[in-house]
Amino acid sequence: DAGVTQTPRHEVAEKGQTIILKCEPVSGHNDLFWYRQTKIQGLELLSYFRSKSLMEDGGAFKDRFKAEMLNSSFSTLKIQPTEPKDSAVYLCASSDNYEQYFGPGTRLTVL
Amino acid sequence: GQQVQQSPTSLVLQEGENAELQCNFSTSLNSMQWFYQRPGGSLISVFYNPSGTKQSGRLTSTTVIKERRSSLHISSSQITDSGTYLCAMGASSFSKLVFGQGTSLSVVP
Repeated sequence: DAGVTQTPRHEVAEKGQTIILKCEPVSGHNDLFWYRQTKIQGLELLSYFRSKSLMEDGGAFKDRFKAEMLNSSFSTLKIQPTEPKDSAVYLCASSDNYEQYFGPGTRLTVL
Repeated sequence: GQQVQQSPTSLVLQEGENAELQCNFSTSLNSMQWFYQRPGGSLISVFYNPSGTKQSGRLTSTTVIKERRSSLHISSSQITDSGTYLCAMGASSFSKLVFGQGTSLSVVP
C-alpha cells in the first residue's frame, strides 16, 4: 500500500504569493490532518477532516490558510498571501482509526 | 486544554547504553502514539500504544492510563537511534492528536 504522499517536497515563494500544497492520504483512511512544524513552535494542527468534512480549522491559521478536501483521496492546503513567517515544514497525515501516518512533508521557504 | 509533557528535553548516550523517555498527559487519553523523526525528515510511527506494553526489537513502550503517562525504553542504543522522539495523545472520539515537544536523542561512539 502506498503511504501518504505530498507534493511538492520543496517550495520557495516570494512574499505575497499564493502557494498550494497537495496531499494524498493512505487509501481508505477517513481522517486527514494538516500540520505545520517549526523548531520554535513544534507541531501545530492547521486542519482536520473526517470523511471529507472539516472538523477543525486551527483557529489562529484561519485568515490566510485554507485546506480543502474535494474527494477522499486528495487534499490541498492554500496559503494566500504568503509571509516570511510561514516558512516551515508542512506535514500531512491520515488515519483509519486513531493511529496516524505521516507524509514526507513540504519544506516551504518564503523570501 | 490537553497538554503533553516530555522528558528529558535532550539526551546524550554512549553507544550501547539504555534510555528511558517519558511522556506525561494532563487528561485521560484514549489513544497514544510514539514517533521518531530524523533531522529534516518526517514522522515515523514507532508505536501506537494506548495501554499496556508493546515491544519491537530494542524498543519497548509502556502506557499506564491511570497514571497518565507513557514511556519509551531504548535498549543497547545505536548511533542510528539518534533523532527526535515525539509522543502524542488523543483524548476525544476522533483521531486528533496533541503532541509533546519531543526528546532529542544523540548517541555517540
